[in-house]
Amino acid sequence: QSALTQPPSASGSPGQSVTISCTGTSRDVGGYDYVSWYQQHPGKAPKLLIFEVTKRPSGVPDRFSGSKSGNTASLTVSGLQAEDEADYYCSSYAGFNNLLFGGGTKLAVL
Amino acid sequence: QVQLQESGPGLVKPSETLSLTCTVSGYSISSGYYWDWIRQPPGRGLEWIGTIYHTGSTYYNPSLKSRVTMSVDTSKNQYSLNLRFVTATDTAVYYCARDYPGGRHHEYWGQGTLVTVSP
Repeated sequence: QSALTQPPSASGSPGQSVTISCTGTSRDVGGYDYVSWYQQHPGKAPKLLIFEVTKRPSGVPDRFSGSKSGNTASLTVSGLQAEDEADYYCSSYAGFNNLLFGGGTKLAVL
Repeated sequence: QVQLQESGPGLVKPSETLSLTCTVSGYSISSGYYWDWIRQPPGRGLEWIGTIYHTGSTYYNPSLKSRVTMSVDTSKNQYSLNLRFVTATDTAVYYCARDYPGGRHHEYWGQGTLVTVSP
């Protein structure tokens, strides 16, 4: 099983929206609605932003939203803020009790 | 508040066994959920290592399965990771995290512990 594919980098200006993609296969992203997104600041543990494709844990701003189409999931960050500058990772259930992560996307707020 | 804390040696020699323990507070492992180990090599992405349930059932990343053993001690509210025959490529920050079985997402993480494999 291979890691999910994410763009290495993304960027946007404060107030803008940016979308990060996460591409897998029909055996993982496309096969289950178990896609999660995490935000990681340098030296910190990942923080859960989105689970089950579109759901947000309590405390996560609604500026963060998730979606999925076919084998590709997406995370959209609206109204970019300076503190959104971080690494973002997707994760998907891959069947047979396996989990996959994406390679990560470094988001720069210009 | 659920908290997880990794502990173990920060330096392991090549070909030896990496052993880590995760101590959980604020929630009883016996009450449910899955309990995972996830690692992150320096400057790289996250990699799922494996999952254990309080019954002792385990699920491992196929790429690591031959070298990994996970165990749970419900009396101490801890679970552990053993990774055998380590090489420099096993150098990473190792995280323990609680895994929701229904959706396989991780809401609670430990702070992570850096393990370096070096002679």
